[in-house]
Amino acid sequence: GNSVTQMEGPVTLSEEAFLTINCTYTATGYPSLFWYVQYPGEGLQLLLKATKADDKGSNKGFEATYRKETTSFHLEKGSVQVSDSAVYFCALSMYSSASKIIFGSGTRLSIRP
Amino acid sequence: NAGVTQTPKFRVLKTGQSMTLLCAQDMNHEYMYWYRQDPGMGLRLIHYSVGEGTTAKGEVPDGYNVSRLKKQNFLLGLESAAPSQTSVYFCASRPLKDRVLLDTQYFGPGTRLTVL
Repeated sequence: GNSVTQMEGPVTLSEEAFLTINCTYTATGYPSLFWYVQYPGEGLQLLLKATKADDKGSNKGFEATYRKETTSFHLEKGSVQVSDSAVYFCALSMYSSASKIIFGSGTRLSIRP
Repeated sequence: NAGVTQTPKFRVLKTGQSMTLLCAQDMNHEYMYWYRQDPGMGLRLIHYSVGEGTTAKGEVPDGYNVSRLKKQNFLLGLESAAPSQTSVYFCASRPLKDRVLLDTQYFGPGTRLTVL
């Protein structure tokens, strides 16, 4: 079946450090890939997405590239801020599916001032 | 627009009690979903609806029922709550545009439920 695996947290970094959160997926077919972010006490918000191989999604300084050959969608940011502290979820969706967005288990990110 | 709202925000139940969680969206979205979020497990789909009057089971439907009597509302019911249902519950909606189901879901702020 379809699944998403992301690196376990928590991840703690200093402000202005480089961030990578790894995500790999298993899917039969060609999924759309997402990163959602959950700030403390809030619901999930879409951070970025990519719908086909080699697409790069970007938003708020975060980037992720859809790599079909390695079935990966790693999240990166060049210089993190304290306000980036949140839980990040990698997810996939199959075009033909009415229901399923499949989420990874989430990675908690904490940024020290 | 308020987006997706959930009522209540917090609730504590005793084992065996029943309750209903309400999700409302004002974006005219066709599809609505209920998830539960547990530590280390991400979000798991409980039930979903592809339109008014229709519902379907997701990944973890046991112990829950749902209804979609109005397009804007999606209710999640627990008939006899159990401690295993202690979780954070999220509702989401998803739009159809020009008859195409878009792949982005919009989430509510969540309901934290504790069953003692």
